[in-house]
Amino acid sequence: QKEVEQNSGPLSVPEGAIASLNCTYSDRGSQSFFWYRQYSGKSPELIMSIYSNGDKEDGRFTAQLNKASQYVSLLIRDSQPSDSATYLCAVNEKEYGNKLVFGAGTILRVKS
Amino acid sequence: DTGVSQNPRHKITKRGQNVTFRCDPISEHNRLYWYRQTLGQGPEFLTYFQNEAQLEKSRLLSDRFSAERPKGSFSTLEIQRTEQGDSAMYLCASSLGVGLNQPQHFGDGTRLSIL
Repeated sequence: QKEVEQNSGPLSVPEGAIASLNCTYSDRGSQSFFWYRQYSGKSPELIMSIYSNGDKEDGRFTAQLNKASQYVSLLIRDSQPSDSATYLCAVNEKEYGNKLVFGAGTILRVKS
Repeated sequence: DTGVSQNPRHKITKRGQNVTFRCDPISEHNRLYWYRQTLGQGPEFLTYFQNEAQLEKSRLLSDRFSAERPKGSFSTLEIQRTEQGDSAMYLCASSLGVGLNQPQHFGDGTRLSIL
């Protein structure tokens, strides 16, 4: 059973701090990795994708991938109360874009 | 680009009834996916289409579930003889079907409640 694991949280950080969200996956052949943000009662919204080892930055978000350790992370700099949501890690099972396997999500709370 | 559209947004029905949901993908996307999400869990894959062809179905998709995508445009997901355990959010996503690992974009979902 191919799995994606996340700490369910909640992860609480003060406004302006860096939030660090982590994800591990079991399928060593996975090729692409995504972070989605989901507000309560809403659908998942894509915020980052990463395909190669290393860091990828987009505004306040940085995704980090280490395929050898089967580990993906998301850093949110200068966290805002509006970042409070559930963050879902998703992994493609096959190279050319079939189904996504999701973790259960990490709840992030940013306190003002 | 109007995004992925799903209808209805909410559906309440009695156990044993049939329900049908519709998904309209982003217009240039030829891949369409259905997922189901329950409270506190991430979305679980149900099935996906490349154009009009249904290429993969999850073991979660019992015989009571059927999905279609005529002409490779919108898709419908039908659940026959609904059960209490079918209560969930049903999410549709679409993506481009070429290139490396195109991201999937989700619609707002249809929330199904079985009485």
